[in-house]
Amino acid sequence: EVQLVESGGTLVQPGESLRLSCAASGFTFRTYAMSWVRQAPGKGLDWVSSISGGGDMTYYADSVKGRFTISRDNSKNTVYLRMNRLTGEDTAVYYCVKGSYETGGEFDYRGQGTLVTVSS
Amino acid sequence: DIQMTQSPSSLSASVGDRVTITCRASQGITNYLAWIQQKPGKAPKSLIYGASSLQSGVPSRFSGSGSGTEFTLTISSLQPEDFATYYCQQYRSYPYSFGQGTRLEIK
Repeated sequence: EVQLVESGGTLVQPGESLRLSCAASGFTFRTYAMSWVRQAPGKGLDWVSSISGGGDMTYYADSVKGRFTISRDNSKNTVYLRMNRLTGEDTAVYYCVKGSYETGGEFDYRGQGTLVTVSS
Repeated sequence: DIQMTQSPSSLSASVGDRVTITCRASQGITNYLAWIQQKPGKAPKSLIYGASSLQSGVPSRFSGSGSGTEFTLTISSLQPEDFATYYCQQYRSYPYSFGQGTRLEIK
């Protein structure tokens, strides 16, 4: 059974940094792209970033480019999202999602999400 | 970048109704289109991929069609558990993008 468990969400002040983690199990982790999708309170879904199975290709939404860094440790079956210079616009539930193939694909599994709140 | 536009933004319907939601892409995405359901307070759930293929366990009353720039999600006979928000999403190319959502409410 595929499981994705996010952690790391918390309350931070504007300008601070945070790292989210997503522990994966139930599939051959290194062979699938992984992504982060977020949802601000009362708003729709927003793609944030993706990383290929081997970790050699990364992609970012314009709204986070230069501030967020996605990475993965295939030995630990974990994907990370490092978030710097956070603002109130980054307040959201962040979902870890699995792609259906090595470079991307539809999001076939999601975690339950972790809440990031940016507020002073 | 590819923009996804859904219509309508909200829809009221009754149990047993047939409903259709439309999604348009700003450029051709062949069939790299997914439909996602989200109930209040819950994580999103994938319903359809490849524009028309049902994810495992999704009831057959859900169907998807379309190719290129225009797509539809149809629910043939609404059940009480289907009242939710529905999103389309393109995965033809990065940056991936979602439609703004269609809220399906009970009439």
